Amino acid sequence: DTAVSQTPKYLVTQMGNDKSIKCEQNLGHDTMYWYKQDSKKFLKIMFSYNNKELIINETVPNRFSPKSPDKAHLNLHINSLELGDSAVYFCASSLGTAEETQYFGPGTRLLVL
Amino acid sequence: SQKIEQNSEALNIQEGKTATLTCNYTNYSPAYLQWYRQDPGRGPVFLLLIRENEKEKRKERLKVTFDTTLKQSLFHITASQPADSATYLCFDTGRRALTFGSGTRLQVQP
Repeated sequence: DTAVSQTPKYLVTQMGNDKSIKCEQNLGHDTMYWYKQDSKKFLKIMFSYNNKELIINETVPNRFSPKSPDKAHLNLHINSLELGDSAVYFCASSLGTAEETQYFGPGTRLLVL
Repeated sequence: SQKIEQNSEALNIQEGKTATLTCNYTNYSPAYLQWYRQDPGRGPVFLLLIRENEKEKRKERLKVTFDTTLKQSLFHITASQPADSATYLCFDTGRRALTFGSGTRLQVQP
């Protein structure tokens, strides 16, 4: 049983396309996150949702839009993809915020050509 | 803004020795500082959490210390094994900040 799953695992696409990455957690957690890990392996928070409400929205281009249809899912839509969007995107979840352990998905490797 | 800095990009040690990894923060003391392990091609995995008012936490061969005077947390792995080779990340999760350090890659030689 995978606790936090992401699809797809790999995504290769052309500049200018629109793509989505899906995330699901079966842990019953209230909070979900999206992180971006760049080529230097630096992990940076993008968004966080608590009970389907956006609570963290870092400085991210508005081409990126998260959507949380329910507490178990947090999807990431990216419009007009650019070369610099190439990275690994990790979804994570936690029971609450701050003090809680975060459980990470396996990552989605996005390559924009 | 808060910066979380970890020592050197890679740390090489011999099997059986104690590995010590450093995490320094620049501004406010994190209310919670977490340590994660990341293996190549995988997501980070939680190891330990230490609160601002705690000095030390232990779990099996792992120990974390927190020194608010030095603005530093140290992460120790005793009796290190080749299986401990991975990247270790410290993570400020307090005060609505979610800031990862750049990570330290640990290589344990047999």
